[in-house]
Amino acid sequence: QKEVEQNSGPLSVPEGAIASLNCTYSDRGSQSFFWYRQYSGKSPELIMFIYSNGDKEDGRFTAQLNKASQYVSLLIRDSQPSDSATYLCAVRLGGTYKYIFGTGTRLKVLA
Amino acid sequence: EAGVAQSPRYKIIEKRQSVAFWCNPISGHATLYWYQQILGQGPKLLIQFQNNGVVDDSQLPKDRFSAERLKGVDSTLKIQPAKLEDSAVYLCASSLDRASGRNDNEQFFGPGTRLTVL
Repeated sequence: QKEVEQNSGPLSVPEGAIASLNCTYSDRGSQSFFWYRQYSGKSPELIMFIYSNGDKEDGRFTAQLNKASQYVSLLIRDSQPSDSATYLCAVRLGGTYKYIFGTGTRLKVLA
Repeated sequence: EAGVAQSPRYKIIEKRQSVAFWCNPISGHATLYWYQQILGQGPKLLIQFQNNGVVDDSQLPKDRFSAERLKGVDSTLKIQPAKLEDSAVYLCASSLDRASGRNDNEQFFGPGTRLTVL
């Protein structure tokens, strides 16, 4: 059974701080990794994807991938109250276009 | 560009009744996904279509759930009969043709249908 694991939280950070969200996955053949944000009562929206080891930056967001450790993370710099949401990690299984989602981490940014 | 459309947005039924959900993907997107998201959990893939063919339905409870994608565009997901544990949000998503070979095969999600089974 392929799995994606996330700490459900809530993770509380003060406004302006860096929020660090983590995700581990079990399928070593996984090729692409996605971070989605989901506000309460809304559908997931893509924030970033990454498929190469290392860091990928987009504005206040940085995704980090370590395939050897089967670990992917999302850093949110200068966190804002509007960043308060559930962050879902999704993994595309190797050789497929099938995606496995984690349970999500609930982030609370305190004003 | 119009997004993924789903209807209805909300549905309340009693157990043992049947229900159907409809999805219209983004124009030109060959791949369509149905996910079930139970409160507090991540989306779980139920079925994946490539055009009008099924790619993966390994987690679809086939004794009560069925789905079709006639003509490779719109899709319907049906539950018959519904159980209490089917209460969830049913999300439809679509993505570009898998043959594109891109690693960033982004899925676009519709607004979802919130199903409550009493």
